[in-house]
Amino acid sequence: DGGITQSPKYLFRKEGQNVTLSCEQNLNHDAMYWYRQDPGQGLRLIYYSQIVNDFQKGDIAEGYSVSREKKESFPLTVTSAQKNPTAFYLCASSINSQGEAFFGQGTRLTVV
Amino acid sequence: GQQLNQSPQSMFIQEGEDVSMNCTSSSIFNTWLWYKQDPGEGPVLLIALYKAGELTSNGRLTAQFGITRKDSFLNISASIPSDVGIYFCAGQQYLSGNTPLVFGKGTRLSVIA
Repeated sequence: DGGITQSPKYLFRKEGQNVTLSCEQNLNHDAMYWYRQDPGQGLRLIYYSQIVNDFQKGDIAEGYSVSREKKESFPLTVTSAQKNPTAFYLCASSINSQGEAFFGQGTRLTVV
Repeated sequence: GQQLNQSPQSMFIQEGEDVSMNCTSSSIFNTWLWYKQDPGEGPVLLIALYKAGELTSNGRLTAQFGITRKDSFLNISASIPSDVGIYFCAGQQYLSGNTPLVFGKGTRLSVIA
């Protein structure tokens, strides 16, 4: 089945450790996105990529890093520099940079 | 970044009632989208709007792209318990290229049976 897969669903890490969240899509979409969601907040853009080997910072990129070495994969690393990393992280993709984005199931990261 | 103002923030309604929520911006958008999110899941696309004045339906859901291109609304008719969730509006601008979607803060809908 075509879709976007995020893994794992739940992730626990100790403070000060880097952690990488996986996002894979088999929809042949060019554009991919990472959003962060906190309770009572909308989705805030962390990073996005419109094409392989290229990505841009979103509104809240500090403390995060990404790579886009393959069209189907857009992993997000939450570094120890991110001051408040506990959140629900959502990956999305769209066929190009215009219009409808489709989301994965999300990864809930808890840093203790 | 750009902000979308979504209202109301939350709603409690009786099963069978109609629901209306809206999204406004101080800037012009060329695409409006409406998503629904169930607890612990990713948002699911409900309706996409691409033209000013466009009115689109998807079952009991109807959404409109405002004439000014600065607003959109979503109506749900005859609500049922499975309508419970958070509804997000999202908009896209075209500046020197397409910009990523910007999201409202969501409307949390509760349906009382």
